[in-house]
Amino acid sequence: GQNIDQPTEMTATEGAIVQINCTYQTSGFNGLFWYQQHAGEAPTFLSYNVLDGLEEKGRFSSFLSRSKGYSYLLLKELQMKDSASYLCAVTGDDYKLSFGAGTTVTVRA
Amino acid sequence: IAGITQAPTSQILAAGRRMTLRCTQDMRHNAMYWYRQDLGLGLRLIHYSNTAGTTGKGEVPDGYSVSRANTDDFPLTLASAVPSQTSVYFCASSAAGGNTGELFFGEGSRLTVL
Repeated sequence: GQNIDQPTEMTATEGAIVQINCTYQTSGFNGLFWYQQHAGEAPTFLSYNVLDGLEEKGRFSSFLSRSKGYSYLLLKELQMKDSASYLCAVTGDDYKLSFGAGTTVTVRA
Repeated sequence: IAGITQAPTSQILAAGRRMTLRCTQDMRHNAMYWYRQDLGLGLRLIHYSNTAGTTGKGEVPDGYSVSRANTDDFPLTLASAVPSQTSVYFCASSAAGGNTGELFFGEGSRLTVL
């Protein structure tokens, strides 16, 4: 099976930066995804990494190190609407997407 | 643009009853998935279908069945519901099979089994 770990909760101040770490142990690797999920809503796609390095998309960036089994999602210039759960998910060599339990980020004024 | 439509949005069900959760997509995606989401456990894959006419088992398939008669529909059936199946169920689709593409999720179906 797959093992994906991420912190349960994080709190940050509006305008600040928060980094959500994700470590994984999987059988093979075919990509890592980050999803955002607001309370009571469906998850929505944020980013996809398959090669090592940083992918930047506006205020959000995602980093991957395959050799370390490690990724992070960086949220810059935090806004109140960024309060949500952030889900790390990995595709292994069975080509099935496995999700971590999610990190709930609370942004305070 | 509808994307993925799930029904019902919410349901309370007596244990032992049969229940089908419906999922329809209008994006002509090949692959479809059913996940359940429970507090502290994240999303877990129940069943999947890489293309119409084929299905496969995910991480937690016991007590559930699916069918994929056409591209658009992917119903999930609980043959005899048990309280441990109380959860939020999400249907999802992707253009490419094999989970190498972005997943699009429905709004979820909240099921309570008493």
